Amino acid sequence: GNSVTQMEGPVTLSEEAFLTINCTYTATGYPSLFWYVQYPGEGLQLLLKATKADDKGSNKGFEATYRKETTSFHLEKGSVQVSDSAVYFCALRAGSSASKIIFGSGTRLSIRP
Amino acid sequence: DVKVTQSSRYLVKRTGEKVFLECVQDMDHENMFWYRQDPGLGLRLIYFSYDVKMKEKGDIPEGYSVSREKKERFSLILESASTNQTSMYLCASTTLSTGVHEQYFGPGTRLTVT
Repeated sequence: GNSVTQMEGPVTLSEEAFLTINCTYTATGYPSLFWYVQYPGEGLQLLLKATKADDKGSNKGFEATYRKETTSFHLEKGSVQVSDSAVYFCALRAGSSASKIIFGSGTRLSIRP
Repeated sequence: DVKVTQSSRYLVKRTGEKVFLECVQDMDHENMFWYRQDPGLGLRLIYFSYDVKMKEKGDIPEGYSVSREKKERFSLILESASTNQTSMYLCASTTLSTGVHEQYFGPGTRLTVT
């Protein structure tokens, strides 16, 4: 079946450090891939997306590239800020599954000033 | 901007009570979803609806029911609340028109059952 595996947290970094949060997936066909972010006390917000192989999604300095050969969609940011502290969810939508999205378990990121 | 609102941010109920969680979206989205979020488990789909009066079970429907009488409103019902239903409940909606189907979320309802 379809699934998403992302690195466990919590991840703690200093401000301006480089961030990578790993995400791999299992899916049939050609899924759409997403990263969502959840700031404290809020619902999830779409951070970025990619819909086909080699697409790069980007937003707010974050990037992720859809790698079909390694079934991965790792999230990266070159220089993190305290305001990036949140929980990050990798997710996929496979085929015509009535818009159902499968989420990873989430990675909590904390940035120290 | 799409707006998804949920009726309460925090709710405390007693075991055995019937609980209603309401969700409203203002962008004429066809599909709506209810998830629960628990630490270490991510988001788990309870029910979803792809049209008025239509519903499908998600991964963990036991102990829950839903109602969608109008396109913009999707209600989650706990028939007889139990302590293991203490959780964060998130509503989401999506449109089929973009082809990508990214979901838009409400702020969540943190339910405590005592």
